[in-house]
Amino acid sequence: AQSVTQPDIHITVSEGASLELRCNYSYGATPYLFWYVQSPGQGLQLLLKYFSGDTLVQGIKGFEAEFKRSQSSFNLRKPSVHWSDAAEYFCAVGLTGTASKLTFGTGTRLQVTL
Amino acid sequence: GAVVSQHPSRVICKSGTSVKIECRSLDFQATTMFWYRQFPKKSLMLMATSNEGSKATYEQGVEKDKFLINHASLTLSTLTVTSAHPEDSSFYICSARQVSGNTIYFGEGSWLTVV
Repeated sequence: AQSVTQPDIHITVSEGASLELRCNYSYGATPYLFWYVQSPGQGLQLLLKYFSGDTLVQGIKGFEAEFKRSQSSFNLRKPSVHWSDAAEYFCAVGLTGTASKLTFGTGTRLQVTL
Repeated sequence: GAVVSQHPSRVICKSGTSVKIECRSLDFQATTMFWYRQFPKKSLMLMATSNEGSKATYEQGVEKDKFLINHASLTLSTLTVTSAHPEDSSFYICSARQVSGNTIYFGEGSWLTVV
């Protein structure tokens, strides 16, 4: 079965600083990969996704992620964080052929200091 | 973009009663919807896959008789928590996949508190 690991439970960065959230997955083939953001008490918003092709994926709100097969990673990055980026971030993996049924990581809570 | 709506967003019910949560795809058809549960400060756990016109598929450890799922149309799936207990209190989120394409859209979630 596939699994997703987000090793950082909580990250604090200063506004304007760069951000990298780590995500590692375990799956036998190339999975579908997603990053979602969740604000407190809210549902999930898709930031970006990787299915195939270019391994550097651009998403909304200035986020990007890079799929590295050799490292089984799909880290999320943003060059300059804004205070409004404070939220919970989830990495998820879906089985190839059925991108609907997702396995989520445990999430990383991002705090932004002014 | 596609919108998935859940109702109610918050509900409080008494122990022993049943409560229904709706998940609607507002501007697209979804043959398959998914129900997740999120415990406080925890990740999302897939409960079941809701299939239009057929029985739901439950994940291991999820009680199908307690969490009844009905997918009556291409735009509506319902989750009914039967004989609710305080430990059923949680944040329930649904997702839906467009008939065409691989993008999943999540609802806003529903907070259930059982007192």
